[in-house]
Amino acid sequence: AQTVTQSQPEMSVQEAETVTLSCTYDTSESDYYLFWYKQPPSRQMILVIRQEAYKQQNATENRFSVNFQKAAKSFSLKISDSQLGDAAMYFCAKPRGGKLIFGQGTELSVKP
Amino acid sequence: GAVVSQHPSRVICKSGTSVKIECRSLDFQATTMFWYRQFPKQSLMLMATSNEGSKATYEQGVEKDKFLINHASLTLSTLTVTSAHPEDSSFYICSARGTANSPLHFGNGTRLTVT
Repeated sequence: AQTVTQSQPEMSVQEAETVTLSCTYDTSESDYYLFWYKQPPSRQMILVIRQEAYKQQNATENRFSVNFQKAAKSFSLKISDSQLGDAAMYFCAKPRGGKLIFGQGTELSVKP
Repeated sequence: GAVVSQHPSRVICKSGTSVKIECRSLDFQATTMFWYRQFPKQSLMLMATSNEGSKATYEQGVEKDKFLINHASLTLSTLTVTSAHPEDSSFYICSARGTANSPLHFGNGTRLTVT
C-alpha cells in the first residue's frame, strides 16, 4: 500500500528563520504529483505548493520551496523567513488511485 | 478561484439522531467529491469517494450504513451521519474536483458534537 510519512509531529522555528519539514512516500508510479497543505487553527485546508514528479526543478512559491528527491522518495518543504502566520499543521499529500492521501502532519510553531 | 462551501460549520446533536452535512461546489462542476474525517491533532482520514450519479465508494472500516453519502448533482454532495453516537464527534471535511487532473478544493469543515 502506498504511504505518506511525516516523521516530525512537531517543529518550532524562530520568526524570520528557516525551517524544513520532512516527508517521505512510497509509490511504484513514475509520474505523479506531490502536495503540501497548510491547516491553520481555522482548519481550512490551504494548498501551499505542488510538485510534478517528472519535473526535475524544485517547485517554489514565494517563501515556500521544496526539495524533491525522486530516487529517495523524499519531498521536504522549506519555509524561509518564517512569519507568525505560518504557524499551522502542515500535511504532505500524494494522490493514490484518484484519492488524495495525507501524511500524519507536522505542527509548526513560530516563536516571536 | 474555485470555492467549496460546506454547511453547517458546527452542529450539536443528541445521541441517536441523524445529522446531514452539505458540500457544494459554487463555481465549478464537481464530478468527484471526497469526505474526510479528522480527529484533533491528527491527519485527514479519507472516509469515502462520491461520484455524481453513482454510489459512493467507502474506505475500509467505514460503515456505509452509518455514513450515508449522496451525490445527486454536479454541485452537491451530502454526508448524513445516522443514529449518531458520541464517538462520531469529529471534524468532517469535504473536498471536490472537476476533472481527474483538476486540483482539489476543500470546504471549511464541519465540527460535529454528539451529546
